[in-house]
Amino acid sequence: DAKTTQPTSMDCAEGRAANLPCNHSTISGNEYVYWYRQIHSQGPQYIIHGLKNNETNEMASLIITEDRKSSTLILPHATLRDTAVYYCIVRGVSGNTPLVFGKGTRLSVIA
Amino acid sequence: EPEVTQTPSHQVTQMGQEVILRCVPISNHLYFYWYRQILGQKVEFLVSFYNNEISEKSEIFDDQFSVERPDGSNFTLKIRSTKLEDSAMYFCASSNHGQGGGEQYFGPGTRLTVT
Repeated sequence: DAKTTQPTSMDCAEGRAANLPCNHSTISGNEYVYWYRQIHSQGPQYIIHGLKNNETNEMASLIITEDRKSSTLILPHATLRDTAVYYCIVRGVSGNTPLVFGKGTRLSVIA
Repeated sequence: EPEVTQTPSHQVTQMGQEVILRCVPISNHLYFYWYRQILGQKVEFLVSFYNNEISEKSEIFDDQFSVERPDGSNFTLKIRSTKLEDSAMYFCASSNHGQGGGEQYFGPGTRLTVT
């Protein structure tokens, strides 16, 4: 079972920042937080991952609390194309550890 | 930008028939996976493959399923005798070992319809 808890759905106005929360209170010290998204029925798309420091890439920023029990994915300027289901996944460090998907957060970006 | 490709995009088959789903992972990746997603449900892990052998498999991956890397580029999933409940999107993914285990990159999927 997924080790994370996410809201079922969220709305965001186009052009505004989308902040997607995730709780992972049972995360272990060697587990990373990964974020993926799935647009309609396409294959899941990798967004970002981190261990304990905040991370930023061209798609998003990941903010992890100091106790590592929760995190927030930030899409700085949401567009209509960011409408998707966003998955927060906790994963161990082994190279072939599978991803365990929960139900995710359905983000709707509204014009 | 390199990507994972899958063929066919849609496969329709009759119950009891064998199907082979094909994937071409990203060329320098070493870890390969199959996942499936039944319509309206979560993405579920099936199997992982490394160094020409199965690393891990889920309860879903029973004796009806097998995987193979027949050459240096393809990675296949075979279902020997399909059942109605095998109807789903099947996603292939690949990764290279990296920090945190390496991010997995997914293909566009094959929609399998069993009639």
